[in-house]
Amino acid sequence: KAGVTQTPRYLIKTRGQQVTLSCSPISGHRSVSWYQQTPGQGLQFLFEYFSETQRNKGNFPGRFSGRQFSNSRSEMNVSTLELGDSALYLCASSLGAGGPNNEQFFGPGTRLTVL
Amino acid sequence: AQKITQTQPGMFVQEKEAVTLDCTYDTSDPSYGLFWYKQPSSGEMIFLIYQGSYDQQNATEGRYSLNFQKARKSANLVISASQLGDSAMYFCAMRDLSGGSYIPTFGRGTSLIVHP
Repeated sequence: KAGVTQTPRYLIKTRGQQVTLSCSPISGHRSVSWYQQTPGQGLQFLFEYFSETQRNKGNFPGRFSGRQFSNSRSEMNVSTLELGDSALYLCASSLGAGGPNNEQFFGPGTRLTVL
Repeated sequence: AQKITQTQPGMFVQEKEAVTLDCTYDTSDPSYGLFWYKQPSSGEMIFLIYQGSYDQQNATEGRYSLNFQKARKSANLVISASQLGDSAMYFCAMRDLSGGSYIPTFGRGTSLIVHP
């Protein structure tokens, strides 16, 4: 069974640009979550999608958005990039959404560098 | 206040010895889940073990066990018989009903180095 895949793996952008990251979950998983990991803030939850609907959202500005398609693949978009958006963006998939026991499987991440 | 606290930024252990990584949490929700993940230098987060707040027994998965002390709000990870491949960052995480949704919160992590 293929794991979670994320594309691209590495990305370099300049301030003010926008970026779209892609995540393909494990086959059969209907939930996709996105996380931002930085040395300063650690691992922070961005949002969670289940069956094309955003179920939960973390404390990030509106420049960060996402969506999920009918095949459960998800994209995350960051508009008007800032230097502080440089981070490792991790995607995780799970069978269901919500609940305290939601076991997630993570992808390898996309490392975004904003110059 | 931090919801997940990992007080050990770095830990060193000799190969084949056991090591305990500390994690304390803070929640008023009676229903919550605790997780441990391993992150090698490659960046991918690997799920290790899960403990539910209502579970009576400590969770175990192979060489990993979770020392769950509910009254103390601690969920320490014990790795037995350490291997060189265990060298990585380890994150403790919790899912509780924060603001009406089960939002996951992660600790800052502990860097484990296993010496030969």
